[in-house]
Formats: sequence, structure tokens, C-alpha cells
Amino acid sequence: AQKVTQTQTSISVMEKTTVTMDCVYETQDSSYFLFWYKQTASGEIVFLIRQDSYKKENATVGHYSLNFQKPKSSIGLIITATQIEDSAVYFCAMREGRANYNVLYFGSGTKLTVEP
Amino acid sequence: AQTIHQWPVAEIKAVGSPLSLGCTIKGKSSPNLYWYWQATGGTLQQLFYSITVGQVESVVQLNLSASRPKDDQFILSTEKLLLSHSGFYLCAWSPRTVSNERLFFGHGTKLSVL
Repeated sequence: AQKVTQTQTSISVMEKTTVTMDCVYETQDSSYFLFWYKQTASGEIVFLIRQDSYKKENATVGHYSLNFQKPKSSIGLIITATQIEDSAVYFCAMREGRANYNVLYFGSGTKLTVEP
Repeated sequence: AQTIHQWPVAEIKAVGSPLSLGCTIKGKSSPNLYWYWQATGGTLQQLFYSITVGQVESVVQLNLSASRPKDDQFILSTEKLLLSHSGFYLCAWSPRTVSNERLFFGHGTKLSVL
């Protein structure tokens, strides 16, 4: 069974608007960590933002923020004031437990296209 | 500042030929190291991880092997390539001493098996 599911294959938005990307995860652990990365056209993987399962507050970094709905096992990524350079593939990922070397499970990705 | 260097940038290889990919991390002692594989247009799948020299754990069996001959070096290899090995290979590291830190990825190696 997939541990991380991203149902949106691709999204297209106009520049300067807000976009939300969905992600649901599956875990039995009480402690887990959720991440969003983006992959640029060159293949580079860039870390964006992280949410710890025990934190109630939604994480925010720059124009990225998260909508963490723990009862729904959902972690949405919100990008405000989108820019052309935000066009990329966005991956949601989850790691269970506290060890750094635990497997990081990735979703299938959502391709975001920001139009001028 | 820490840097991660992967080599080669791209490879075109024949089915049945051997393969060796590498990565080096500079500026960070005793990192955790990881190999990921991404099929074209697909998700990232963790293959191996290593928390110390000479110790490598396999996560997914894809007829590949990995080794960590030095603290800052991680090698991915196979003696016989399959068509299914084509894809994008990414090396990554994380600090060992910081719990649940993010991964820092290299720029990847694009492998085409013909």
C-alpha cells in the first residue's frame, strides 16, 4: 500500500495567484515527519518545508505554508503569490519515527505550471 | 559549507554491462548517506542508506549494490545492467546527529540502459 498519495497529477495557475497541492499519508506511528520538496526542470531536488506530527501549528516558510489536518492524515502545501519560477514538480514525503535514516517515502508528485 | 558531488552526470550503457556511480560529500563529517532512484516521470524510491563507513543497508532490491569505502564517499554499482535500471539516480545526505533533519540531494545521474 502506498504510504504517501498525491492525487493531483498536474496543476496550472496564473502568476501571482495562490495554489494548494494535496497530499495524504498513511502511518501507524505516533511520531512522524512530513516534508515537501520540489524538483526543478534540471532534476534538482530542493527542500521546501517540514511539519512535525506533534506540532499543532502549521509550518510556514516564505511563501510556502502547510495545511496540516492530522485527523484526515492530510498535509497540503499552499503557495501564495506564485511566480513563474515556482513551476516544478512538487513531492510530498513522510518519514516515520525519529531516526534520520528511516525510509523517506515520497508521493508520485504534482507538476505545477505557473503561467504569466 | 557542505557540498555534494555526484558523478557522472549522465551515462548511456548497454544491457549486461557493469555500472558504478559515485558521490562525495565535503564539509560534513560522518553524515548519513542515501541512494534514491527515480524512473522517468516517477516518484523517488530509497534504495540504500549508510550511517557509517563500511555499513550499508538495503531498502529495495533492484539488483544493485552500494558501498561506503570512505566516510565521505558512497558508491552504487552493479555487474550487469538491466533495462529496468534506466532512470535518475540521486545521492543524498543528512546530519547524523540532528534528528529528522531534511535530506540534501546531489544533482543526480541520468542513466540510460539500451
